[in-house]
Amino acid sequence: KQEVTQIPAALSVPEGENLVLNCSFTDSAIYNLQWFRQDPGKGLTSLLLIQSSQREQTSGRLNASLDKSSGRSTLYIAASQPGDSATYLCAESNAGGTSYGKLTFGQGTILTVHP
Amino acid sequence: EPEVTQTPSHQVTQMGQEVILRCVPISNHLYFYWYRQILGQKVEFLVSFYNNEISEKSEIFDDQFSVERPDGSNFTLKIRSTKLEDSAMYFCAGRRGTAKNIQYFGAGTRLSVL
Repeated sequence: KQEVTQIPAALSVPEGENLVLNCSFTDSAIYNLQWFRQDPGKGLTSLLLIQSSQREQTSGRLNASLDKSSGRSTLYIAASQPGDSATYLCAESNAGGTSYGKLTFGQGTILTVHP
Repeated sequence: EPEVTQTPSHQVTQMGQEVILRCVPISNHLYFYWYRQILGQKVEFLVSFYNNEISEKSEIFDDQFSVERPDGSNFTLKIRSTKLEDSAMYFCAGRRGTAKNIQYFGAGTRLSVL
């Protein structure tokens, strides 16, 4: 059974700080990894998707990396803003075998950026 | 920008009642999913659906659950006889043809079983 773990569980930083969120996974046959943002009581917004053949993806102030050999991914947020406050989830997909691309999620990191 | 639409946003029901949660996926998507998130817990996979049949399901998805795509647009999750522990946020998701593609999620339906 695949497991995804995120640390820290919660993070509070002042505005403007650069920060790193961590995600580790046990699936050695990972196909891709997706980072999501979840605002309280809302759905999941996809931020970045990294294929297993890639090492990183960038979108604006966000940069996600993937190290398949160590089973780790990081989400780097540059120059954080109060509007970045949300829960960040990582999820891995194993599309091999009988899997049809279901996602296995971590428990999330609750990020608070204070002015 | 196209989006996944879920209705209702909140459903309150009595234990033992049947509920149907509805989703309208993005039109060019081919793979569809239901996930749930019990308050304070991880998002969990329930079922995937492709080519008008279930392609994979989790151990949570027992005989009380069923899915349908009756008219080529709506994608529904039915819970036959709800239990208190079915209270959760239910998310519908979809993606295009290959597993390289992003899964897009709806805003969710909050199901409260009393």
